[in-house]
Amino acid sequence: TQLLEQSPQFLSIQEGENLTVYCNSSSVFSSLQWYRQEPGEGPVLLVTVVTGGEVKKLKRLTFQFGDARKDSSLHITAAQPGDTGLYLCAGAQGGSYIPTFGRGTSLIVHP
Amino acid sequence: SQTIHQWPATLVQPVGSPLSLECTVEGTSNPNLYWYRQAAGRGLQLLFYSVGIGQISSEVPQNLSASRPQDRQFILSSKKLLLSDSGFYLCAWNPGLAIHEQFFGPGTRLTVL
Repeated sequence: TQLLEQSPQFLSIQEGENLTVYCNSSSVFSSLQWYRQEPGEGPVLLVTVVTGGEVKKLKRLTFQFGDARKDSSLHITAAQPGDTGLYLCAGAQGGSYIPTFGRGTSLIVHP
Repeated sequence: SQTIHQWPATLVQPVGSPLSLECTVEGTSNPNLYWYRQAAGRGLQLLFYSVGIGQISSEVPQNLSASRPQDRQFILSSKKLLLSDSGFYLCAWNPGLAIHEQFFGPGTRLTVL
């Protein structure tokens, strides 16, 4: 059973469009991270959210943590080809050393 | 600042041959260290993690083993590779102390023929 469900799995859009990626769980997380990975490279941390209801912005990317700390979303405004990649969410519970990763959303932005 | 190194970047090995992948972290001490395997374009499967020298926890029974001979060195090994061991292997570290963010190395692409 996948503890963190990401949707959609694949997304192919045109430059300039907006999109939202979701990360859902039935479990409560003490923190949640979003990563972006380009082909052939390791994932790179984008953001960590900790507080229920928290919203963080990173240029055109907006991250939100659900009030109950069970879900999160990533919204990209006016997507660009440079946003292409695999977006992964990961959550950790309490004092665990082990994060749980979602399966990822593969995004392609066409020029 | 902290950096993480993995080598080799790519590796092609015959079935039945041994494997040794190395990961080192610079600029931090007593990190938690992790080995993941990633199927093509998809999520990460945790293989091993370590919270200290000589302390290894395995998440998935398999043909692989891990060792941590020094504080900032993490090694993934196999005595005899299987075709199913092919994949993209990622090493990661985090500072521990209830910080859950992970910092990944550049990865090793392993092809077993």
